[in-house]
Amino acid sequence: EVQLVESGGGLVKPGGSLRLSCAASGFTFSNAWMSWVRQAPGKGLEWVGRIRSKADGGTTDYAAPVKGRFTISRDDSKTTLFLQMDSLETEDTAVYFCTAGFGIPAPGTNWGQGTLVTVSS
Amino acid sequence: QSALTQPASVSGSPGQSITISCTGTSSDVGGYNYVSWYQQHPGKAPKLMIYDVSNRPSGVSNRFSGSKSGNTASLTISGLQAEDEADYYCSSYRSSSTYVFGTGTKVTVL
Repeated sequence: EVQLVESGGGLVKPGGSLRLSCAASGFTFSNAWMSWVRQAPGKGLEWVGRIRSKADGGTTDYAAPVKGRFTISRDDSKTTLFLQMDSLETEDTAVYFCTAGFGIPAPGTNWGQGTLVTVSS
Repeated sequence: QSALTQPASVSGSPGQSITISCTGTSSDVGGYNYVSWYQQHPGKAPKLMIYDVSNRPSGVSNRFSGSKSGNTASLTISGLQAEDEADYYCSSYRSSSTYVFGTGTKVTVL
């Protein structure tokens, strides 16, 4: 069974940094393209970015609002996905979901339960 | 980056069919056959219901179907059931290797 468990959320001040993790199991992590999607409280879904498998180059793509501030990385040996968030803004307050893609061109086939990030002074 | 446009709410009685629209541009919905649909119950993670415009993942009821015409995609739920009450989001691949979601539609079963 595919399992994705996010961690690392919490309260951070504007301008601060936070690193989210997503522990994956139940599938061949190294073959999967992984993404992050966020949802502000009471709002809709917003695609954050993704990282390809190393076999497909391991490259990343980001949404315009986070490009240059957020960095997605992966550790295939630990089957873990990361989201490094710097220069955080109050607008970044959201639940952050980790998703796994299995050859389907979509933001995510399987999703974790999410971790809440609150940016506030 | 502007979101795809969906109606805020759609409702129907049990057994009826409803359709949710998702309007984008030629740079996303109209330009690629990479439209997907997600169902989200309150407090839960989204669930993939349709991908590549009209394909259903294994385990998704055949009461859910998708289509596309021009810059507008649609999700149809037939034989509406109480458990279908949820928020629904469309998504599309957009040029520059990014994705965009729709504004979301709340489905109410009367």
